[in-house]
Amino acid sequence: KAGVTQTPRYLIKTRGQQVTLSCSPISGHRSVSWYQQTPGQGLQFLFEYFSETQRNKGNFPGRFSGRQFSNSRSEMNVSTLELGDSALYLCASNSGGLVYNEQFFGPGTRLTVL
Amino acid sequence: AQTVTQSQPEMSVQEAETVTLSCTYDTSENNYYLFWYKQPPSRQMILVIRQEAYKQQNATENRFSVNFQKAAKSFSLKISDSQLGDTAMYFCAFIDPTNQAGTALIFGKGTTLSVSS
Repeated sequence: KAGVTQTPRYLIKTRGQQVTLSCSPISGHRSVSWYQQTPGQGLQFLFEYFSETQRNKGNFPGRFSGRQFSNSRSEMNVSTLELGDSALYLCASNSGGLVYNEQFFGPGTRLTVL
Repeated sequence: AQTVTQSQPEMSVQEAETVTLSCTYDTSENNYYLFWYKQPPSRQMILVIRQEAYKQQNATENRFSVNFQKAAKSFSLKISDSQLGDTAMYFCAFIDPTNQAGTALIFGKGTTLSVSS
């Protein structure tokens, strides 16, 4: 099975712009979660989508949004970028069943905001 | 708020030695799940081992084992016979299924482990 893929791998934007990141989960996985990883704050949960519905949401401002398509692929969007949004954005997929199922992580998208 | 604390930012060990990574967490819940994830340099994060809080027996996966002390809210990871490929950042993580964000992993800040020959 192919693993979780994320595109693009690297992105450079300027303050005020918006950005869309994409995540393709492992085939058959219905749950996709997004995390932000920074040296200062570590790994923080953004949101989780299951069967095209947002099931859980972390404590991030409304500038961060996401969606999931019928094929389980997910996108996250960040509007009005700020310098502090520079981070590695990871997505993870699992089958969506039991809560302690293994999360399979993608390689991440490295976003740099100038 | 539920938190996960890893008190060792960096650790070093030589090949074949045993190393223990510490993790403590804070929750008022009785049923939850604990994990150790490994993030090698420039590579994807992978699950090392997991433990259900209702199970008293410590989980083991080959050279990796945990020491789960529920009363002390401690969940340490022991790596036996360390190998160069164990060099990575290790994250302790927690899930509380009763929380509103019930499927969200709550991560510690990580421990960078370096294994040398």
